[in-house]
Amino acid sequence: AQKVTQAQTEISVVEKEDVTLDCVYETRDTTYYLFWYKQPPSGELVFLIRRNSFDEQNEISGRYSWNFQKSTSSFNFTITASQVVDSAVYFCALSGEGGEYGNKLVFGAGTILRVKS
Amino acid sequence: EAQVTQNPRYLITVTGKKLTVTCSQNMNHEYMSWYRQDPGLGLRQIYYSMNVEVTDKGDVPEGYKVSRKEKRNFPLILESPSPNQTSLYFCASSLIGQANNYGYTFGSGTRLTVV
Repeated sequence: AQKVTQAQTEISVVEKEDVTLDCVYETRDTTYYLFWYKQPPSGELVFLIRRNSFDEQNEISGRYSWNFQKSTSSFNFTITASQVVDSAVYFCALSGEGGEYGNKLVFGAGTILRVKS
Repeated sequence: EAQVTQNPRYLITVTGKKLTVTCSQNMNHEYMSWYRQDPGLGLRQIYYSMNVEVTDKGDVPEGYKVSRKEKRNFPLILESPSPNQTSLYFCASSLIGQANNYGYTFGSGTRLTVV
C-alpha cells in the first residue's frame, strides 16, 4: 500500500525565518511521483511541484526548494525567508504508475504553517 | 480556460435530505475522482472513474454514490446525508497515465455541512 506521512501537524514561525516541512512516503512501486500542494485559507488546492522517482535532483523555485532523498523515502519542502502569505496548509502526495491504483493520489495529513509578522 | 468546476461551493443541509454535488471538466480527461478533506486526515479518495460508465470505490465510499454518464461530468450523490459527511469535498481530473506527467486538476472545493 502507498502511504504518506507528514509528522508535523502545525508549525509556527516568525516572518523571514526559514522553515522545512517534512514528508516521508512508503510505496512498493519502482516508478512513482511525489507532489506538494498548498491550500491557502480560501480553500483551493494549489499545485507546487511534481517529482518522479528517477529524478533525485533538488529543485529550487524562488524561495521554495525541495529535497528528494530516495534512501530515506523523504521529499522535504523548505521555504526560505518565510512571509505571511506563506501561511497555509501544505500537503505532500504520492502517486504510483497506475495498475491497481489507477491514477490515485495519496495524500499526507497536511502541515499547517503559520507565519507571524 | 482549462478547469474543473464544482457546484455548489457551500452547502448546508439536513440529515437525510438527498443532495448532489456536481463536477464538470472541460479538458477531455478520462480520469475523474472525488476526495474528502477532514482535519488531521488529509484528503481521502471517495470514488474514481477511469472513463464513461467505469467507476470504482476509493478508500471511503460508504454513504456516497457516483455516476459517469458523460466524460465531462462526475456528480457525487449523497442519498441520505449524515453529520459525519460534513467535510470539504474536492473533485479532480486527469488524463489516464498522464496524470503523473501533467498533474491533476482540482476543483475549488465544496464545503458541505450536514446538520
